[in-house]
Amino acid sequence: DTAVSQTPKYLVTQMGNDKSIKCEQNLGHDTMYWYKQDSKKFLKIMFSYNNKELIINETVPNRFSPKSPDKAHLNLHINSLELGDSAVYFCASSQVGKPEAFFGQGTRLTVV
Amino acid sequence: GDSVTQMEGPVTLSEEAFLTINCTYTATGYPSLFWYVQYPGEGLQLLLKATKADDKGSNKGFEATYRKETTSFHLEKGSVQVSDSAVYFCALSDRSYGKLTFGQGTILTVHP
Repeated sequence: DTAVSQTPKYLVTQMGNDKSIKCEQNLGHDTMYWYKQDSKKFLKIMFSYNNKELIINETVPNRFSPKSPDKAHLNLHINSLELGDSAVYFCASSQVGKPEAFFGQGTRLTVV
Repeated sequence: GDSVTQMEGPVTLSEEAFLTINCTYTATGYPSLFWYVQYPGEGLQLLLKATKADDKGSNKGFEATYRKETTSFHLEKGSVQVSDSAVYFCALSDRSYGKLTFGQGTILTVHP
């Protein structure tokens, strides 16, 4: 069983479209994250949710909106996609009191 | 704010060579430290961790020691294999929210 799973793995879309990426974890963790990896492999946090509550919101355009329907799921919706949004997006989860995070396989988003 | 600086890559080695990838950090408080590895086309996997000063993390022949006095967490392996070819990320974790701050990643290529 995959611990942190993301769908889709690849996403190619045109500028201006709206798209969503889904993430689910079956580890029983209470905290979930979205990270963005740019073309130079640099990783930066975007959002974090703890028990469905937003606790970290880094400087991210308003076009990005995370949603956590329950503590096992964290989805990322992106409106009006731009070329600069092309990147790999990683979902991760962790448990309060344990510092390590576990990552999904990533979603490679390409905006054309 | 927190930051992590890794040795510039790429690093190219022959099989069975000794590996060191340097990592230094700046943080307030006492962060946990990690090495993550990203194999080609895959997500991030936790390689090893250390949660307090002088802790040594180890896994799959890799080791790193949490050095508070030098704010370092250098990754070492005595004898690398072709299968170790990957991108290696040093990271620290904010104890409050579990947010990971990553270094820029080091590409390792091991030749037979």
